[in-house]
Amino acid sequence: AQSVSQHNHHVILSEAASLELGCNYSYGGTVNLFWYVQYPGQHLQLLLKYFSGDPLVKGIKGFEAEFIKSKFSFNLRKPSVQWSDTAEYFCAVNADRDDKIIFGKGTRLHILP
Amino acid sequence: DVKVTQSSRYLVKRTGEKVFLECVQDMDHENMFWYRQDPGLGLRLIYFSYDVKMKEKGDIPEGYSVSREKKERFSLILESASTNQTSMYLCASRDRSNYGYTFGSGTRLTVV
Repeated sequence: AQSVSQHNHHVILSEAASLELGCNYSYGGTVNLFWYVQYPGQHLQLLLKYFSGDPLVKGIKGFEAEFIKSKFSFNLRKPSVQWSDTAEYFCAVNADRDDKIIFGKGTRLHILP
Repeated sequence: DVKVTQSSRYLVKRTGEKVFLECVQDMDHENMFWYRQDPGLGLRLIYFSYDVKMKEKGDIPEGYSVSREKKERFSLILESASTNQTSMYLCASRDRSNYGYTFGSGTRLTVV
């Protein structure tokens, strides 16, 4: 069975700091990987996704993630965060040809102005 | 843009009541899903459906059932609501060729 582990439950950063949120998954086969974001009071939105090809994926709002197959990781990065990045971030995995996506428990990111 | 609409944003129900949560999508997606979201637990899959009248249990189906009589509508049913079902419920749909999900805005259910 697939599972997703997010390393940090709560992260606090100052504006302009660099961000890296860790995500590891467990599944031996081909996977599709996602990062979703939920801003306060809003619904979940897709930040970026990896299906195949270049393991460095660029998403919206300056976010990127790198798929490292040997480490079963898909860490989210942003070089300089803004106050508006305050949100909860979810890593998710979908085994290829499977209908469902499994989510991690989420990381709450709080950016200090 | 795909739109996933959940009929209620907030609901308050009494213990033992039968509760229906409705979800409608407008893009002819095959797959639809119900999750519940709880602090510190992330999103947990309750049930999903890959076609009309087809359903599969997710990770936490106990106490819930679902109905999919039409492709665009996927209902979550709490047969006899209990306080531990107080949660945020999220519906999602997916086109099989797209892999990613589109989520509704959620229904915050409180069972008293």
